[in-house]
Order: sequence, then structure tokens, then C-alpha cells
Amino acid sequence: GEDVEQSLFLSVREGDSSVINCTYTDSSSTYLYWYKQEPGAGLQLLTYIFSNMDMKQDQRLTVLLNKKDKHLSLRIADTQTGDSAIYFCAERSLQGAQKLVFGQGTRLTINP
Amino acid sequence: GAVVSQHPSWVICKSGTSVKIECRSLDFQATTMFWYRQFPKQSLMLMATSNEGSKATYEQGVEKDKFLINHASLTLSTLTVTSAHPEDSSFYICSARGRETAKNSGETQYFGPGTRLLVL
Repeated sequence: GEDVEQSLFLSVREGDSSVINCTYTDSSSTYLYWYKQEPGAGLQLLTYIFSNMDMKQDQRLTVLLNKKDKHLSLRIADTQTGDSAIYFCAERSLQGAQKLVFGQGTRLTINP
Repeated sequence: GAVVSQHPSWVICKSGTSVKIECRSLDFQATTMFWYRQFPKQSLMLMATSNEGSKATYEQGVEKDKFLINHASLTLSTLTVTSAHPEDSSFYICSARGRETAKNSGETQYFGPGTRLLVL
């Protein structure tokens, strides 16, 4: 079945860019998502990209997709303290059950 | 964006009692609703998927008689944890999927704020 992997922790200085990486295994057409979870809260959809796209930008967020390597990244420009959270990468294949498959989540910590 | 609400946001109950959690899509019709469970510092684990008017499909290892799911309308799904025990203590998150129109080409899944359950 599909599998999504992320590194567990990332620490950056305030004002720097954060890059959170994710790899996935599904080879079929798929949607790839980035969600943000703050402590004690549900998931907030940040952005998503379809697998026929290479890049998507939305204000401070840039998503890059390397379909050949099945590698997805989320870049947060000018990282602020409010960006501290857990970031989940997820994929949803358009075949089969079409369920969201989540990575383990990357905990982003901002240093002053 | 689309809004999904959950009620209650947290609940404490005694072992052996049943707890009902509601999930509502507030401004769209949810063709499919999902229930997840999240343990501390872990990812979300899908428990079951339900389509309006039909029986829920449970993931492997999830007891359907313990976690009763009802999806009675396009805006409401409920999860009932029956005869709750301390090991059922967790963060339960629902999610709803409807059809995006116009600006997006695919279906997007929206998440509720979660319900924290503590069973004593």
C-alpha cells in the first residue's frame, strides 16, 4: 500500500526559511497535501498539489514536487513564531479507496 | 474555506460508559466523512469511512461494535465509543469531504478541531 515518510523534527531561526520534506511511494496519479496542526487542535489544510504539477506557490508557502523521485517539499519563507506546529504531508491516490495516507508529521520549532 | 465542527471538544467519562461525538459540516454537503484517532505525538490513524446513508467501512483492527458510526445526513456524522475504557483515551478527529466547485479541480478533505476523550 501507499506509504508516506517525513523527518520528525526541524528547528529554524525566526526569519529564516523552513523546508519540510516528504517522500511517498504511490506511482499513480495522486493529490499531495500539506496540513498544519497546532497543539490540541485539528488539521488545517495549507495547500495541495496534483501530481502533474511541479510547483505551487501561495504567499509564504512554496510546494515543490519531484515526481521522478517521489519527493515533496514545503518551504515556508520568513518563518515566524506562529509557524510552530506539526506539519503533515499526506497523499491521496485517485485509484482504489482514495483514502488520505499521512506521514508521521514534522514538528517545526522556531528559535528566536 | 469549508468548516467542520466537532462536539464536544473534550470529554471525561467513567470506564464502562458510552460517549457520543458529533461531527458537522457547516457550509457544505459532506458526501464522505472520516473518523481518525491520534495518539500523543503520533500521526492520524484512520478508523472508518462513511458515506451518507450507508454503513461505515472500518479499517482493519478497528472494532465496529465498539466504535459505532452513523452518517445520517450530508452534514452530520456521529461516533459513539461504547463501553469506554482507559485505553480508548485519545484525540478523535473527524474529517469531511464534499465536492469543490469552480476554483479547485479535486475533492478536498476538511478536518474538525478534534475531541479529546479521557476515560477514567
